[in-house]
Amino acid sequence: GESVGLHLPTLSVQEGDNSIINCAYSNSASDYFIWYKQESGKGPQFIIDIRSNMDKRQGQRVTVLLNKTVKHLSLQIAATQPGDSAVYFCAENTLTQGGSEKLVFGKGTKLTVNP
Amino acid sequence: DGGITQSPKYLFRKEGQNVTLSCEQNLNHDAMYWYRQDPGQGLRLIYYSQIVNDFQKGDIAEGYSVSREKKESFPLTVTSAQKNPTAFYLCASTMTGLTPYEQYFGPGTRLTVT
Repeated sequence: GESVGLHLPTLSVQEGDNSIINCAYSNSASDYFIWYKQESGKGPQFIIDIRSNMDKRQGQRVTVLLNKTVKHLSLQIAATQPGDSAVYFCAENTLTQGGSEKLVFGKGTKLTVNP
Repeated sequence: DGGITQSPKYLFRKEGQNVTLSCEQNLNHDAMYWYRQDPGQGLRLIYYSQIVNDFQKGDIAEGYSVSREKKESFPLTVTSAQKNPTAFYLCASTMTGLTPYEQYFGPGTRLTVT
């Protein structure tokens, strides 16, 4: 079945270190993946996305890696800052039975950045 | 500014009452979605709509209803049939096309039913 999960529910890093957040997915037909950041009491914010025809995509201080062989997705945050503290969700785009597209979200990883 | 608005931010209701959550977007997006989020959990899809006057059930539609009379608006009604309505509700929208796009989220409505 389709599911998206995360290896670690919490991650604590020191300010300035690099952070790596992992995600496993099960639907090999998924063609699009997104990372979201959610601060407490707010809606998720888009961070970066990647399509299945790519292995790597870079943004500002963030990199997403996609390994289709083992169905694994990771988010790397360089020089982590206190403002990066939040819950991070991965999501995969799948097709519904009716042919529409929907996102399936993982449970999230809480990132805490220590000063 | 373009975006998605949800109102109110906090909502309190007594058990047995229906309540409607508002979601409006001015992004000209065709597709809109409603999610429910419980503490420490991911987002679960309640209902979604790809086009005006059409909508489909998501994974947890029981006890909820929606309408899509206008492109900009996708209100969600939490009915008295929903057994555990207290949660954080998130609305999202996205463009539609040949390839998928990211969903944009509103700020959420926290519903408390006592």
